[in-house]
Amino acid sequence: DTAVSQTPKYLVTQMGNDKSIKCEQNLGHDTMYWYKQDSKKFLKIMFSYNNKELIINETVPNRFSPKSPDKAHLNLHINSLELGDSAVYFCASSPEWVSSYEQYFGPGTRLTVT
Amino acid sequence: GNSVTQMEGPVTLSEEAFLTINCTYTATGYPSLFWYVQYPGEGLQLLLKATKADDKGSNKGFEATYRKETTSFHLEKGSVQVSDSAVYFCALSTYGQNFVFGPGTRLSVLP
Repeated sequence: DTAVSQTPKYLVTQMGNDKSIKCEQNLGHDTMYWYKQDSKKFLKIMFSYNNKELIINETVPNRFSPKSPDKAHLNLHINSLELGDSAVYFCASSPEWVSSYEQYFGPGTRLTVT
Repeated sequence: GNSVTQMEGPVTLSEEAFLTINCTYTATGYPSLFWYVQYPGEGLQLLLKATKADDKGSNKGFEATYRKETTSFHLEKGSVQVSDSAVYFCALSTYGQNFVFGPGTRLSVLP
């Protein structure tokens, strides 16, 4: 059973389009995250949700809008895609919003904007 | 703010060589420390963790000790294998704050 799953795994689209990435976790965790990993493997936190509520919103363009319909799902919608949005996007979850718990990562979605 | 510094890669070793990847951190409060590994084309997996000073995390032959006096959490393995080739991330978290990841260190092990 996959703990944290993401769809799609690959996404190729043109500039200006709108796309969504879905994430689901079956671990019963309260907290979920979106990260962006660039071509140099650098990881940047984008959003954190705890019990469906947004708790951290880093400096991300407002073209990116997360949505958490329930504790097990955190989707990412991106409007007006730009070339610089090309990256691998990872969803992650953790049991609670406290320090000693590790995060569990999904397999990633590789987004390519042409 | 919190930060993590890792040695720059890539690191290239021969099979059965000794591995050290340095990690130092800056944090307010008492962080938990983690090492994650990312194999090609995959997501990050927790390799080991330590939640308080002098704790040693270990897994799959890898070890790291939480050194508060030197604010370090260096990753070591006595004998690397080709299958250990991956990108390794040091990370920390403190209560109520996001995880902070280091920039990652790419390890290549040659047969």
